[in-house]
Amino acid sequence: AQKVTQAQTEISVVEKEDVTLDCVYETRDTTYYLFWYKQPPSGELVFLIRRNSFDEQNEISGRYSWNFQKSTSSFNFTITASQVVDSAVYFCALSEAYQTGANNLFFGTGTRLTVIP
Amino acid sequence: ETGVTQSPTHLIKTRGQQVTLRCSSQSGHNTVSWYQQALGQGPQFIFQYYREEENGRGNFPPRFSGLQFPNYSSELNVNALELDDSALYLCASSRLGLAGDGEQYFGPGTRLTVT
Repeated sequence: AQKVTQAQTEISVVEKEDVTLDCVYETRDTTYYLFWYKQPPSGELVFLIRRNSFDEQNEISGRYSWNFQKSTSSFNFTITASQVVDSAVYFCALSEAYQTGANNLFFGTGTRLTVIP
Repeated sequence: ETGVTQSPTHLIKTRGQQVTLRCSSQSGHNTVSWYQQALGQGPQFIFQYYREEENGRGNFPPRFSGLQFPNYSSELNVNALELDDSALYLCASSRLGLAGDGEQYFGPGTRLTVT
């Protein structure tokens, strides 16, 4: 069975601080995909990153970086020099079949990030 | 913006009624997935439609049903509404198959309130 755990329910940081959002997943498949989405107050889910299970390289995109470690089943997300616009709920998600079948996503419960000016 | 649209934006219904939510997929996409997001929770997969057929279903009762049309737009129907059906309903379109990457693009959602 698939499971995504985001243990941090809410995090508050002061602007310009770095913050790491944790994600731990469970799956029996050897091929799977991991995602991070951002959900601002408007409600629309904004795609941030997709990673497949065969690519453990860390990725950096501007102030965002992701650390994927299969050994600990974790896919953590770090925001460097946080800004007020980063305030949102962030979801980690897992997909198993992806391109080969129903590519539905299993989401964690989300982490609400508040960046204080 | 993703090009995925949903209507209506907000809806208020009474327990026991039926509701239909609509989703227009992004151009070139052949698959629509529906998710239910209760307040304070992550989205939960309801079902997916691929080429007008159901292509996977989550743990939702049969009173949740759907359709996909030849233009790949989709409807979500919920019968006998219950208070717990109050949630944000999100649809996501994607392109499955050899020519697609399967990436899901989400619409802005429909907020359903059941009283």
